[in-house]
Amino acid sequence: DSGVTQTPKHLITATGQRVTLRCSPRSGDLSVYWYQQSLDQGLQFLIQYYNGEERAKGNILERFSAQQFPDLHSELNLSSLELGDSALYFCASSSGQGKEGSPLHFGNGTRLTVT
Amino acid sequence: AQTVTQSQPEMSVQEAETVTLSCTYDTSESDYYLFWYKQPPSRQMILVIRQEAYKQQNATENRFSVNFQKAAKSFSLKISDSQLGDAAMYFCAYRSAETSGSRLTFGEGTQLTVNP
Repeated sequence: DSGVTQTPKHLITATGQRVTLRCSPRSGDLSVYWYQQSLDQGLQFLIQYYNGEERAKGNILERFSAQQFPDLHSELNLSSLELGDSALYFCASSSGQGKEGSPLHFGNGTRLTVT
Repeated sequence: AQTVTQSQPEMSVQEAETVTLSCTYDTSESDYYLFWYKQPPSRQMILVIRQEAYKQQNATENRFSVNFQKAAKSFSLKISDSQLGDAAMYFCAYRSAETSGSRLTFGEGTQLTVNP
C-alpha cells in the first residue's frame, strides 16, 4: 500500500459530462502529481502541485483543471468529456518539490470510461 | 526537454533466469535521478529502484540491479532469479534535480513475461 488514496476506483460517464477525481497524498507529502495513462500513450504528466500551489504543468487540456486544498488533498476536474479521455488517471505524491529526487508514490488510479 | 526511450516493447525470460531491460535517455542536465517502476496486471505503479546520477555506484535492491552509464545516457535494469511475480510492464523514468517542480518523465514501457 503506497499510502496514496484515489477515489473513485471506476467512473463511467457520457460524452459532454464533467467529473471530479479525488486524491489524498501520503501523510507528510506536500507534492501531488496527476498522470494520465491511455492504452496507446503510456504515462503522460498532467500537472503538479506543491503545498497548494501549481508547480509544473504538462500536457493538460484546457478542459481539465486541478487544485490542491489546504489539507493537501487534490482534485482533478475533467469537463466536456470526449471518448478519447477514457484512460487510467493516476495521482502520485512525494515529500518535496522534485529537486531532492524523492520518488513518487502512486495511488491505484481511477479508471474513467467515457461512453 | 528530457526524453526517455525503452527500445524493447516486449521481453520474456524463463523462471529463475536473468533478464536485462534497456533504457536510454536524453538530457543536457548533469544532475538528475533515474527510476524503474513496475506495473503488474493490477495496474498499480510500484517503485523498483532509484539511482542518483552523481553516484557512480550502481543501485541494487535484492534481485534488482541497474547498470548506469552516465556518459552513454544508459540505465538498464537487471532482474536476477526471475520469478513469476516479476511479470509486469516496466517503466524507466527520469527526474531532474536542477529544476524545482520537476516531473517524472516515463519511457514507453517494456512488457516482461516470465515463463514457468
